[in-house]
Amino acid sequence: DIQMTQSPSSLSASVGDRVTITCRASQGIGSSLAWFQQRPGKAPKSLIYAASSLQSGVPSKFSGSGSGTDFTLTISSLQPEDFATYYCQQYNSYPITFGQGTRLEIK
Amino acid sequence: EVQLVESGGGLVQPGGSLRLSCAVSGFTFSDHYMDWVRQAPGKGLEWVGRTRNKANSYTTEYAASVKGRFTISRDDSKNSLYLQMNSLKTEDTAVYYCARSVVVAAPYLDYWGQGTLVTVSS
Repeated sequence: DIQMTQSPSSLSASVGDRVTITCRASQGIGSSLAWFQQRPGKAPKSLIYAASSLQSGVPSKFSGSGSGTDFTLTISSLQPEDFATYYCQQYNSYPITFGQGTRLEIK
Repeated sequence: EVQLVESGGGLVQPGGSLRLSCAVSGFTFSDHYMDWVRQAPGKGLEWVGRTRNKANSYTTEYAASVKGRFTISRDDSKNSLYLQMNSLKTEDTAVYYCARSVVVAAPYLDYWGQGTLVTVSS
């Protein structure tokens, strides 16, 4: 199985800040990488697919990059609604696997 | 508007069975692969399995943790996805989400339901 490791596991930031979350795959996955946002008590929401493509309706403050084994999610100009948990997911091979999540908290 | 609505969750004893349903609307269900993903209380996301579409013979994939115990099926005429869960264990306690897959080079999850809670306890 491909292991997905996110860093950091938690992150404190202020409104207006720009933050970056990293996701590393245990083996190469090309660009088959997605990012999801999950607010407390809610279902995950798709943000990014194919490592850097923005899901329809998602604001451009979210951006993704990377390929192979190393990927990043960057969120600019943080707003209160952005404080949530973020997950990366590889869909290059079965079983599909998720990172452990990064909890973004308000400083 | 794309909508996915899960139902069928509840309390079940270890060793028991439960069948979850996911009713969809707002898109052509028969065109899409569909997935189940679960989340144990306070934990991260775990992929459960996938059913492909008719064009791909409705073939399925499962996580090792549920293979042989869980079965994913679908009824395209009813726009519905199912998860039959047998021989349930306490570690299967989780919120179960159905999710739509869309193929862009490879299938990824783009829309999720709100989830249904399954509690396995005596």
